[in-house]
This record gives sequence, structure tokens and C-alpha cells, in this order.
Amino acid sequence: EDQVTQSPEALRLQEGESSSLNCSYTVSGLRGLFWYRQDPGKGPEFLFTLYSAGEEKEKERLKATLTKKESFLHITAPKPEDSATYLCAVQKTGANNLFFGTGTRLTVIP
Amino acid sequence: DAGVTQSPTHLIKTRGQHVTLRCSPISGHKSVSWYQQVLGQGPQFIFQYYEKEERGRGNFPDRFSARQFPNYSSELNVNALLLGDSALYLCASSHPTGSGNSPLHFGNGTRLTVT
Repeated sequence: EDQVTQSPEALRLQEGESSSLNCSYTVSGLRGLFWYRQDPGKGPEFLFTLYSAGEEKEKERLKATLTKKESFLHITAPKPEDSATYLCAVQKTGANNLFFGTGTRLTVIP
Repeated sequence: DAGVTQSPTHLIKTRGQHVTLRCSPISGHKSVSWYQQVLGQGPQFIFQYYEKEERGRGNFPDRFSARQFPNYSSELNVNALLLGDSALYLCASSHPTGSGNSPLHFGNGTRLTVT
């Protein structure tokens, strides 16, 4: 059965304290793994797509990596404006839809 | 450029009623998808439409239906509303690249409350 598990469920960091969010997945044929950011009352905002193990992508303080079983979202020196829920989703080969995890709620304290 | 727009932003309905939610995709995007997000959970796939044809359906009952219009906008209809249908309904559009890996761009959703 396809599964996407994100950990931790919630994370509190001091401003400047780097950390990583984890997304482990079980899917029969990965077409792509996606990271989204969601602010309260808003729709998810696209961050990254990763296609194959070993791939890395960066955007400002965020860096996403992918292995055959999991993906990490590294946050370097976070700021309070990075506070949000980070969602991981997978797309299976032959499918058009995304299968989401339940997200990690990140709070960055000034 | 305008992003994905959804209307209404909030809606309160009574059990047994029906509801129609509307979505306008980003200009140039021909694919529209609908997702349901219950509080504290990730979005769950309901439908995908491309060029006015249904291209995918999630595990939702037949009370849920959708359609896409010639201008690529879309409607999601839910009949015989249940309390459990209370959720944020998200519309997303994408620009097909042929590979199917064009990222989804989401609107801010319609918050539906069923009482």
C-alpha cells in the first residue's frame, strides 16, 4: 500500500537553529516527489520537485534531497517567516494525482 | 499574473444540501485538479480534468462530481452533504508538459462547513 509519512509532526526552532524535516515514502514506482509550504488559511505553495535518488534542489534557506526511501527538507538558519506547515507528496508512475503526507508544522521563534 | 482563484472563500451549508464550488486556473493551464483537506491532514485527491475530460478520480463517493468548461474553469459539486464533508476544498492547475510532472499550483481554497 502506498504511504507517505512525515516526521516530526511539529517542530519548534529558535531563529538561526538549523534542522531537517523527513518524508519517508513507500510507493510502487516513483514519478516525482514534491515539497509544498502551506500557511494557515492558504493553499499549498510549490517549493521543489525531485525525480531521482541523489537529486538535490535549493531555494534560499531550504534544500531538498532524495533517496530511494525518503526525502529531507533541510532548513538552514531559519527565520520566523519560515514558520508554516511543510507538506511532502509523491506522484506514482502512470498517475496524475499527488499523494500527500500529513505535514510537519514548523514554528521558528525569534 | 493571477494565480488560481476559487469562489466562494467560505461557505456554510446544512446536512443534506448540495454545494457548488468554482475554480479558475492560471492563464494557459489546461489541467485542473480538486483536493479535499481535512483539518490537520494533507490534501486528498478528488478529481483531475484535462481538456474537459476526467483524467483521474480519487476514492470519493458518487455524491462528488465535477466538470471542466471550454475556458478551462471548473466546478466541484457535492450532493447530500454530510458533516464529514466539512473541509478545505482546494483547486490546483498545471501546465501539461507531456511528462506529467508539471507541478500543481493551488488556490487558497473554499472552506466548507456543514452543520
